[in-house]
Amino acid sequence: TQLLEQSPQFLSIQEGENLTVYCNSSSVFSSLQWYRQEPGEGPVLLVTVVTGGEVKKLKRLTFQFGDARKDSSLHITAAQPGDTGLYLCAPRSNDYKLSFGAGTTVTVRA
Amino acid sequence: DTGVSQDPRHKITKRGQNVTFRCDPISEHNRLYWYRQTLGQGPEFLTYFQNEAQLEKSRLLSDRFSAERPKGSFSTLEIQRTEQGDSAMYLCASSPTSGNTGELFFGEGSRLTVL
Repeated sequence: TQLLEQSPQFLSIQEGENLTVYCNSSSVFSSLQWYRQEPGEGPVLLVTVVTGGEVKKLKRLTFQFGDARKDSSLHITAAQPGDTGLYLCAPRSNDYKLSFGAGTTVTVRA
Repeated sequence: DTGVSQDPRHKITKRGQNVTFRCDPISEHNRLYWYRQTLGQGPEFLTYFQNEAQLEKSRLLSDRFSAERPKGSFSTLEIQRTEQGDSAMYLCASSPTSGNTGELFFGEGSRLTVL
């Protein structure tokens, strides 16, 4: 069974600050997805990373995939209240199923 | 709106009652998933359908839970003899087989409260 850890569990910051959340495992991922879930909504895909060492940027969000494909990070620059939500990482476990981590709850205060 | 829709959005029931949730996936998606999510946690996989065939069920899906997708379109998730521990958000997601990028498209969920 793959052990997936997301840290920190909770993060509360002031608007304009930067933040980083992490997703770690003892297993190698074939690929990994990051989702954001806003209160009362379902998760929405932000990015998929596939190649070890890959860096992807989505506006103020920067995603890194570890060289060994066992870990990933999400960095948000100049956070805004609209970035508030539960950030979930989900490695692909087989052809069709995603297994989610427990997530990091991010609160950005105005 | 052509996204995944779930009904009802909220359900409050007494312990021991049966409840049923419905999910309408994106029309061209033949894969359908049910997940359960408790407050502050990530979604936990419950079951998966490819068209009308239920191909995988999690150990979380006890005998009181049953899911169907009779015509390969909408799906229902029924919980019999509900318990307080069943209180959670039940999320449905769909994805295509062809051109599959691995993305799951989620509905807004059905929140169950068992009193």
